Amino acid sequence: KAGVTQTPRYLIKTRGQQVTLSCSPISGHRSVSWYQQTPGQGLQFLFEYFSETQRNKGNFPGRFSGRQFSNSRSEMNVSTLELGDSALYLCASLEMKGDGSTDTQYFGPGTRLTVL
Amino acid sequence: AQSVTQLDSQVPVFEEAPVELRCNYSSSVSVYLFWYVQYPNQGLQLLLKYLSGSTLVKGINGFEAEFNKSQTSFHLRKPSVHISDTAEYFCAVRVGTGGFKTIFGAGTRLFVKA
Repeated sequence: KAGVTQTPRYLIKTRGQQVTLSCSPISGHRSVSWYQQTPGQGLQFLFEYFSETQRNKGNFPGRFSGRQFSNSRSEMNVSTLELGDSALYLCASLEMKGDGSTDTQYFGPGTRLTVL
Repeated sequence: AQSVTQLDSQVPVFEEAPVELRCNYSSSVSVYLFWYVQYPNQGLQLLLKYLSGSTLVKGINGFEAEFNKSQTSFHLRKPSVHISDTAEYFCAVRVGTGGFKTIFGAGTRLFVKA
């Protein structure tokens, strides 16, 4: 199976712009999570989607939003970009088993966002 | 609230020496525990996981970890490291049922010297 793919891999934006990042999970995985990684704050959870529904959300401002499509692909959007939004944004997919249990999250290579 | 503490930000070690990267977690509920490795400009790769069962978990590349519930620890060990093990290592705990989230430690930079 192909792994988690994220596009684009690198992105440069200016303050005040908005950006959309895309994530395609592993085939058959219906849970997609997003994380922000910065040198100062480390890896922080943004949100988790399952079957097009956001089930959990981290402590980020409303400028950060996301959605999931019926094919499980997910996008996250950041509006009114700030310098502090410069980070590596990681997406992870996970298979939900029939008994409700979960297994391993697999991470994509990330999108490196630079805000100037 | 759940949290993960990696006790060492950097660990320098000579090649072929043993290494232990320490991780403590706090959670009032059952958790799943993970160690991930990140090489420069790459995403996270799973080294090993503890979901249930045996407290000694073996992973890829010769790494292993032991889950200690009484000490709320999940330390990562390798008996003999290689130069190629130089990377950032993250301990993580996954919490929640239904909706869940993964909480990461701050990371430990393992630097293997020749």
